[in-house]
Amino acid sequence: IAGITQAPTSQILAAGRRMTLRCTQDMRHNAMYWYRQDLGLGLRLIHYSNTAGTTGKGEVPDGYSVSRANTDDFPLTLASAVPSQTSVYFCASSDGTSGGEQFFGPGTRLTVL
Amino acid sequence: GQNIDQPTEMTATEGAIVQINCTYQTSGFNGLFWYQQHAGEAPTFLSYNVLDGLEEKGRFSSFLSRSKGYSYLLLKELQMKDSASYLCAVRDGDYKLSFGAGTTVTVRA
Repeated sequence: IAGITQAPTSQILAAGRRMTLRCTQDMRHNAMYWYRQDLGLGLRLIHYSNTAGTTGKGEVPDGYSVSRANTDDFPLTLASAVPSQTSVYFCASSDGTSGGEQFFGPGTRLTVL
Repeated sequence: GQNIDQPTEMTATEGAIVQINCTYQTSGFNGLFWYQQHAGEAPTFLSYNVLDGLEEKGRFSSFLSRSKGYSYLLLKELQMKDSASYLCAVRDGDYKLSFGAGTTVTVRA
């Protein structure tokens, strides 16, 4: 593993189903983030974690949950998917320092029908 | 929260210069980032400004004026591979980023 990986790459999901998007980083970064990207709206923060064991809500948290059991993994769960959650989801991480940029995973394209 | 504005689209000719402006209104400021995103790919880091002034990195430069809530990204000697979206992002006091909607730059031969 080098950097950040996400799985699956893409997924088509029936409305009402539960889905977990996986994110793993090997850079030992303290902070991790989940964004969704929709055409014309840019990247919007869903949830974040400043360090293992802590999480926080971003701009659009409703319908999503996260956990941060360890430094490397930050899964995003949709408990009951709805069509408005159709989007491209990006996971990111940073070392949390003042100049530390965020590194992004390759993204998961999710379609909810 | 943050309110970040940047133009939707810009077109320029190969070899030319393009300047992408970004204005922001913020409840807390802890730096401004520019990212590049090619179609179907993840954003990648270009530049970071936290103090007023110009940061130069090869063909790309970024400027910040905190008092005006203004930044620009300058792309010089444009190449076809520079065709991409450019995202302006402001970091708040909690180290969270808020992104603008992005500027799609098309480089024509």
